[in-house]
Amino acid sequence: SQTIHQWPATLVQPVGSPLSLECTVEGTSNPNLYWYRQAAGRGLQLLFYSVGIGQISSEVPQNLSASRPQDRQFILSSKKLLLSDSGFYLCAWSVAGLASLETQYFGPGTRLLVL
Amino acid sequence: GNSVTQMEGPVTLSEEAFLTINCTYTATGYPSLFWYVQYPGEGLQLLLKATKADDKGSNKGFEATYRKETTSFHLEKGSVQVSDSAVYFCALIPINSGYALNFGKGTSLLVTP
Repeated sequence: SQTIHQWPATLVQPVGSPLSLECTVEGTSNPNLYWYRQAAGRGLQLLFYSVGIGQISSEVPQNLSASRPQDRQFILSSKKLLLSDSGFYLCAWSVAGLASLETQYFGPGTRLLVL
Repeated sequence: GNSVTQMEGPVTLSEEAFLTINCTYTATGYPSLFWYVQYPGEGLQLLLKATKADDKGSNKGFEATYRKETTSFHLEKGSVQVSDSAVYFCALIPINSGYALNFGKGTSLLVTP
């Protein structure tokens, strides 16, 4: 069966510090991968998605970037965190194919607090 | 554009009560519709889905029917348990149009013994 891991589970970082969040998927090949953010009062929003190694699409302009160095690894990064980057970051995967027909499965999330 | 509207709650029910959480949507074409559940401190879990009109999704006693005529996907359960306490999110993904799930703001449910 497929599993999705995220780490760290919780992170407290000062403003201006760098960020690296990691997500890995097991039990499947060539998945689509996604980063969502759940911010207080703003609901869930897709930040990035990837349909293959090195292929990253950004949904919203922001202070963050994403990379996919391996087939089942998805990394969310920032060079300098802002207070507004605080939130709950969720990684998800789906089977490759027509997005509207494939279910997205979410990881346990990383809670980021920027102070 | 695409959007999902759901009652925000909090909804408080006694154990064994009937649950309805309303969800309506706006979308171009016929989207796929989902209900996800988020337990405290955890990520989202898929609860059920429907990909075309009149489909009924069901899981763990929860049901929702894709109603094209009313653009709705209301979540129901006949008898809730304390363990159902969580936040429930209705979501859609439009057909042939991007990869983003469009979520409602979530409905918090508290079931008391």
